[in-house]
Amino acid sequence: ELKVEQNPLFLSMQEGKNYTIYCNYSTTSDRLYWYRQDPGKSLESLFVLLSNGAVKQEGRLMASLDTKARLSTLHITAAVHDLSATYFCAGPDYGGSQGNLIFGKGTKLSVKP
Amino acid sequence: NAGVTQTPKFQVLKTGQSMTLQCAQDMNHNSMYWYRQDPGMGLRLIYYSASEGTTDKGEVPNGYNVSRLNKREFSLRLESAAPSQTSVYFCASRAGLAGADTQYFGPGTRLTVL
Repeated sequence: ELKVEQNPLFLSMQEGKNYTIYCNYSTTSDRLYWYRQDPGKSLESLFVLLSNGAVKQEGRLMASLDTKARLSTLHITAAVHDLSATYFCAGPDYGGSQGNLIFGKGTKLSVKP
Repeated sequence: NAGVTQTPKFQVLKTGQSMTLQCAQDMNHNSMYWYRQDPGMGLRLIYYSASEGTTDKGEVPNGYNVSRLNKREFSLRLESAAPSQTSVYFCASRAGLAGADTQYFGPGTRLTVL
C-alpha cells in the first residue's frame, strides 16, 4: 500500500521568503496531487502532476514530480500571508480501487509579516 | 453548479445515537468518497463508491455504513455513535472510473459525539 510522507509538518515563514515542502511516497506512482485547506474549510485542488518531470505553477506556488525519486515538491516563492493554509499531497492507491487517494498528514504553513 | 454539498454542517450526538450524513454532487461524477479528518492524521478514507450501484470499504470503515442512493447522492450512516467518531467528515467526488482527474470536496460536517 502506498504511504505518503510530508515534511515539514509545520512551517512558519516570513513574508518574502522562499521555501519548499517535500512529499515522499513509498511505491511507484505515475501521478501526484496537491490540495490546499484553509482553516475550518474544505480541500481545494491545486495541482495534478501526471508524469515524471511534470512541473506546474500557479502564482507563487510551483509543484514538481520526480517519479524515480518518488518525490514531489511544492515550492513557495516570496511568501505572502494569503498563502497561510495546510497543504496536502496525495497519491493513488493502486492497492484499492483506481481513483482512491492516500493523503499525507499535511503541512501547516503560517506566513508572518 | 453547487459542486459537492453536504448536510448537516454541524451535529452533536450522544453516545449510542444514530444519524445519517448526506452528500450530493451535481457534476455527473461517477465516483464518490467519504473521508474523516482528525487533527494530525490527514484524511482517511471510510468508504467509497466507484460507480452507481457499488460501494467498498476504505481504510477505516468500522462503525459506518453507506448508501449510493443514485448517481448524485452518497450517504454515510453512523448506527451507534461513539466518541471516537468525533471528527470532521468530508464527502468528495471524481469524474472517472479510472484515470488521473482530481477529487472535488464538499464543505464538511463537523460531528461531536459526547
